[in-house]
Amino acid sequence: EVQLLDSGGGLVQPGGSLRLSCAASGFIFNNYAMTWVRQAPGKGLEWVSTISGSGDTTYYADSVKGRFTISRDNSKNTLDLQMNSLRADDTALYYCTKEGVVLVGPIYYYVLDVWGQGTTVTVSS
Amino acid sequence: DIQMTQSPSSLSASVGDRVTITCRASQSISKYLNWYHQKPGKAPKLLIYAASNLQSGVPSRFSGSGSGTDFTLTIFNLQPEDFATYYCQQNYHTRPWTFGQGTKVEIK
Repeated sequence: EVQLLDSGGGLVQPGGSLRLSCAASGFIFNNYAMTWVRQAPGKGLEWVSTISGSGDTTYYADSVKGRFTISRDNSKNTLDLQMNSLRADDTALYYCTKEGVVLVGPIYYYVLDVWGQGTTVTVSS
Repeated sequence: DIQMTQSPSSLSASVGDRVTITCRASQSISKYLNWYHQKPGKAPKLLIYAASNLQSGVPSRFSGSGSGTDFTLTIFNLQPEDFATYYCQQNYHTRPWTFGQGTKVEIK
């Protein structure tokens, strides 16, 4: 069974740091890019960061660039998100997601086809 | 960044109804459009990819259409388990991949 287990969330003061982790199982981890998506309380979904299957390429939302670092360990099938200089507006439920690729005709499309259960980050004094 | 706008933000419907949700992109995204739904307290789940292709295991009462800037998700014969929040998401070329603000489908 394909599964993602998010962990590492908690309560942290503004300016503090937190490291989220995601344990993957049931698929060939290094074949897939992985993405973090967050959801502030009562709000919609926000793409945060993506890392390629090899780990060589990373992408960040402008709102977290320079503060968050995404990384992966393909030998352990784990994905991490190091979050520094946390702000109140980083408070959210953070989801680890697997980025699938589907071929429709001659074109590849990307999907977030597997989601973790989410881990909650609360930034408050 | 590409902005995604969904309408309506919420709607009330009855079991058996047909429901239509629209999603508009701020620029053409061809068919690089996915739909997800999210039930309370649960993670989102992929419903439709590439604008009109049903994800494996998703009931055929869900249907997607559109290309360019205008897209539609239709739910035929609404079932009790379909009451949820629906999000569109574009994955056109490079990041950031943006989501619509969501449409909450509630029981009338």
